[in-house]
Amino acid sequence: GEDVEQSLFLSVREGDSSVINCTYTDSSSTYLYWYKQEPGAGLQLLTYIFSNMDMKQDQRLTVLLNKKDKHLSLRIADTQTGDSAIYFCAESTTGNQFYFGTGTSLTVIP
Amino acid sequence: KAGVTQTPRYLIKTRGQQVTLSCSPISGHRSVSWYQQTPGQGLQFLFEYFSETQRNKGNFPGRFSGRQFSNSRSEMNVSTLELGDSALYLCASSLVPASYEQYFGPGTRLTVT
Repeated sequence: GEDVEQSLFLSVREGDSSVINCTYTDSSSTYLYWYKQEPGAGLQLLTYIFSNMDMKQDQRLTVLLNKKDKHLSLRIADTQTGDSAIYFCAESTTGNQFYFGTGTSLTVIP
Repeated sequence: KAGVTQTPRYLIKTRGQQVTLSCSPISGHRSVSWYQQTPGQGLQFLFEYFSETQRNKGNFPGRFSGRQFSNSRSEMNVSTLELGDSALYLCASSLVPASYEQYFGPGTRLTVT
């Protein structure tokens, strides 16, 4: 399968910005995604970006894509305690299955 | 609109038994995918169904099987359970296969003792 890698843990103070990084190996990826998983829950789709885009902004979330380096990041502005969760990046190619990263556990310190 | 529902939410089985998990997709969604989530392996794709046909299958042994009904509801079955099958099983639905908009259910937590 394709490799999608993330760092395991991130800790930030409430009100600061969080940046979660992800690298992937499949250069033919069509879509890249960020999902959020809270304890005991399934995955919630936060945002996605088409591979022909460099950036997408949605309220407090900013996604940056560097196709050359196969690097995807999610920036959360003004991080709140409710943002504490595990964040997964994922990639897919048209008509094919999703590949998920290992997840980054974000802890927001009040 | 109701989300993806999975039943049961929690299940405890013993080694050697079999188990059937159920997933009801969002109304109107015809594609259902199944994933296994474990602390060691992360999220791994099991299979995807669309119009009652399996479209894609991940790298899992034949003990893992699934099916989809005409109302798009899906079931997955695991036979001869092993301790390593303990995991959170997630189902996701989308309008069409491999759509960029895939919505997940809350999962079924299976514990094998």
